[in-house]
Amino acid sequence: AQSVTQPDIHITVSEGASLELRCNYSYGATPYLFWYVQSPGQGLQLLLKYFSGDTLVQGIKGFEAEFKRSQSSFNLRKPSVHWSDAAEYFCAVGPEGSASKIIFGSGTRLSIRP
Amino acid sequence: DGGITQSPKYLFRKEGQNVTLSCEQNLNHDAMYWYRQDPGQGLRLIYYSQIVNDFQKGDIAEGYSVSREKKESFPLTVTSAQKNPTAFYLCASSIRGKNEKLFFGSGTQLSVL
Repeated sequence: AQSVTQPDIHITVSEGASLELRCNYSYGATPYLFWYVQSPGQGLQLLLKYFSGDTLVQGIKGFEAEFKRSQSSFNLRKPSVHWSDAAEYFCAVGPEGSASKIIFGSGTRLSIRP
Repeated sequence: DGGITQSPKYLFRKEGQNVTLSCEQNLNHDAMYWYRQDPGQGLRLIYYSQIVNDFQKGDIAEGYSVSREKKESFPLTVTSAQKNPTAFYLCASSIRGKNEKLFFGSGTQLSVL
């Protein structure tokens, strides 16, 4: 079965510390992978996406993610978090050319400690 | 600025009542989507439409209905048959046949009185 797992429901990090949010997927075909961010009461914004090529992808707001096929993972990282990074983060996976088949993980809520 | 506008921001439904959530986009996207978001869960697809006058059921279509009479508009009706309608509803759009990016509206919070 196709699925996306974000094992951490809630993470708290200190401002200025590094961040890694985990994402594991189960997908039969070559996956298209995404990370979205959602501020409270708002819609989702795309941070970055991976389709092919370099397995380390850069996104907006200083985020990056690394695709590891052998581990079925697509973890999101940021070297130094800012208070404004507090939000909910969603990992998603889907096939080529069919946004209606994108599957979203359950999200990881990030809190920032001053 | 181009984007997706959802209204209202908050909506309350009485028992046995149908309510309609509005979604309008000026991105000239062919495809539009409705998702439901419950606390601690990911997004679940309710309905989607690839072109005008055509739409498809998603994973949780029961108790919901949609129409797509104009490219810009994709309203969602939550019918009285939906017994647990309290949720955050998100509308999105994309370029048809491409899944590089879903553009999302800012959502509607629906609650039952």
